[in-house]
Amino acid sequence: AQTVTQSQPEMSVQEAETVTLSCTYDTSENNYYLFWYKQPPSRQMILVIRQEAYKQQNATENRFSVNFQKAAKSFSLKISDSQLGDTAMYFCAFLTLNRDDKIIFGKGTRLHILP
Amino acid sequence: SQTIHQWPATLVQPVGSPLSLECTVEGTSNPNLYWYRQAAGRGLQLLFYSVGIGQISSEVPQNLSASRPQDRQFILSSKKLLLSDSGFYLCAWSLAGGGTEAFFGQGTRLTVV
Repeated sequence: AQTVTQSQPEMSVQEAETVTLSCTYDTSENNYYLFWYKQPPSRQMILVIRQEAYKQQNATENRFSVNFQKAAKSFSLKISDSQLGDTAMYFCAFLTLNRDDKIIFGKGTRLHILP
Repeated sequence: SQTIHQWPATLVQPVGSPLSLECTVEGTSNPNLYWYRQAAGRGLQLLFYSVGIGQISSEVPQNLSASRPQDRQFILSSKKLLLSDSGFYLCAWSLAGGGTEAFFGQGTRLTVV
């Protein structure tokens, strides 16, 4: 069974700093997708970034980028020039490309951006 | 464009009462549908998912059940609620065949008293 582990329950950084959130996963599949979601206090789930496992190039989306290490089964999220609006819960998620199409989430990292 | 509707937004129910949460998706056909629960501001636990009408997979044995009576309708139910059923419930959908992210509803905050 696939699992997603986020080892940092909570983090705090100063505004404008760079922060990296960790995520590891376990799977025997070769084709899959990885995602980072943001859940602000409104509790609406917002997709931050996605990565296809077959792509070696790390995905980037403005200030957000990932470090995807397929062999190590690691998928970390880097937030550059952090802003107060980045304060939220961040979830790492995994999707296998098989008949089931299950999307499994980690337990989340609560990120506080301090002024 | 596709939209997902989930209701109600907030619900307070007594222990032992029934539950019905509804989720509908518009603008797409044969979506994959999911119910997640988030307890105490923590992780998202996958409860049920469905890849087609009448096809329901349960991830966690519990006091809840799910049904998909129509292609774009997903219902979460309970015959008798427990205090431990309290939490934030999220419905989501993704494109059939995988390869895309899940798109979430606004969520339902359920408090069992």
